[in-house]
Amino acid sequence: GEQVEQRPPHLSVREGDSAVIICTYTDPNSYYFFWYKQEPGAGLQLLMKVFSSTEINEGQGFTVLLNKKDKQLSLNLTAAHPGDSAVYFCAVLPGTGSNRLTFGKGTKFSLIP
Amino acid sequence: EAGVTQSPRYAVLQEGQAVSFWCDPISGHDTLYWYQQPRDQGPQLLVYFRDEAVIDNSQLPSDRFSAVRPKGTNSTLKIQSAKQGDTATYLCASSPRTNYAEQFFGPGTRLTVL
Repeated sequence: GEQVEQRPPHLSVREGDSAVIICTYTDPNSYYFFWYKQEPGAGLQLLMKVFSSTEINEGQGFTVLLNKKDKQLSLNLTAAHPGDSAVYFCAVLPGTGSNRLTFGKGTKFSLIP
Repeated sequence: EAGVTQSPRYAVLQEGQAVSFWCDPISGHDTLYWYQQPRDQGPQLLVYFRDEAVIDNSQLPSDRFSAVRPKGTNSTLKIQSAKQGDTATYLCASSPRTNYAEQFFGPGTRLTVL
């Protein structure tokens, strides 16, 4: 089945700096990709969804890139601010028709005081 | 529109005890999911329903875990005889018929088994 590797597991930057989180998946038929944000004690909040036909998506303060050739999905956080501190997860939906999302292990993102 | 609600928010048990978790999905969402999220890991799907039917329960430990959604709305996940390895956050999510791929998550129930 699908496997998703997410790195780095921990990431600390100074306010205003940028940061990148990368996920690598294995199933070339996967077609729908997601980034979720989880704050302490809360559920997962959907940040961005990307279809396989879309390579770049921009949100508020971040950009998501999909590289189908290398089977990589990345989340670029630009100009980090305190509200960005959270755990970020990528998730991949297979091309089998199943609704089974496969998640990465998460990246704990924080600001250096 | 109300989001996915779950109760209780926290549970602490001794090994061997039983516990039930309850989930109320977003109104009108026909698909409901239960995930297990161990500490410092990503969520892992246990089971999901479309209306009242189980679609995939291949990762549900059937000897001790059970899940039902009798009327196709609320759902209950039960652990019969909890083990320390069950310590995790249990997340419920739902998705609408018009876009099965997009799942909306509840706040979760944090379970600690001593």
